[in-house]
Amino acid sequence: GAVVSQHPSWVICKSGTSVKIECRSLDFQATTMFWYRQFPKQSLMLMATSNEGSKATYEQGVEKDKFLINHASLTLSTLTVTSAHPEDSSFYICSARASGEGRNQPQHFGDGTRLSIL
Amino acid sequence: AQKITQTQPGMFVQEKEAVTLDCTYDTSDPSYGLFWYKQPSSGEMIFLIYQGSYDQQNATEGRYSLNFQKARKSANLVISASQLGDSAMYFCAMREGRDTGRRALTFGSGTRLQVQP
Repeated sequence: GAVVSQHPSWVICKSGTSVKIECRSLDFQATTMFWYRQFPKQSLMLMATSNEGSKATYEQGVEKDKFLINHASLTLSTLTVTSAHPEDSSFYICSARASGEGRNQPQHFGDGTRLSIL
Repeated sequence: AQKITQTQPGMFVQEKEAVTLDCTYDTSDPSYGLFWYKQPSSGEMIFLIYQGSYDQQNATEGRYSLNFQKARKSANLVISASQLGDSAMYFCAMREGRDTGRRALTFGSGTRLQVQP
């Protein structure tokens, strides 16, 4: 089945550091990828939709200058948390659908990245 | 208004018994898809089952079945013969509109299922 690889799995860093998270579709091409954020014991909230070759679409309340998204190829999207602070600590998870997949095919999720800012 | 509502924060079930996890949704779009995902403590999202708005029959996947009641806008997940490994968070999610591969999912708040031996 389709595989989405997300890296790194864990990040612990100091306040003020910028952190880059990669999301790769390993065996399919994805013109669109999605970035979600999940606080402990809460649901997944969509942050932004990443479109290959164009600007990302951010959800209301998500700072685009804080969370930089780049989707430079059909298999890679990156999320950079700039000048991270403790309140940015969360679980970040990406997902993608293969172009042309049948309607009953799910979004394929990466394994997520746990970000802890000290 | 909540698009996806899961009213059960937590559920307990005895091993080998069946359990139903509730999900109601709200949309005015006639075309939509409903998904259930399992999230163990390790965090990954595991796809379980899908139901399309135009599907005539309830979806089934092994021990998982979806009780789809379109008029009531509910899509409850039924897990039969519960196993200890079923203990996890379960999320109901919806994709609104035609499936173009470019639409994100909206998730419910989740239900934590604990299977007891």
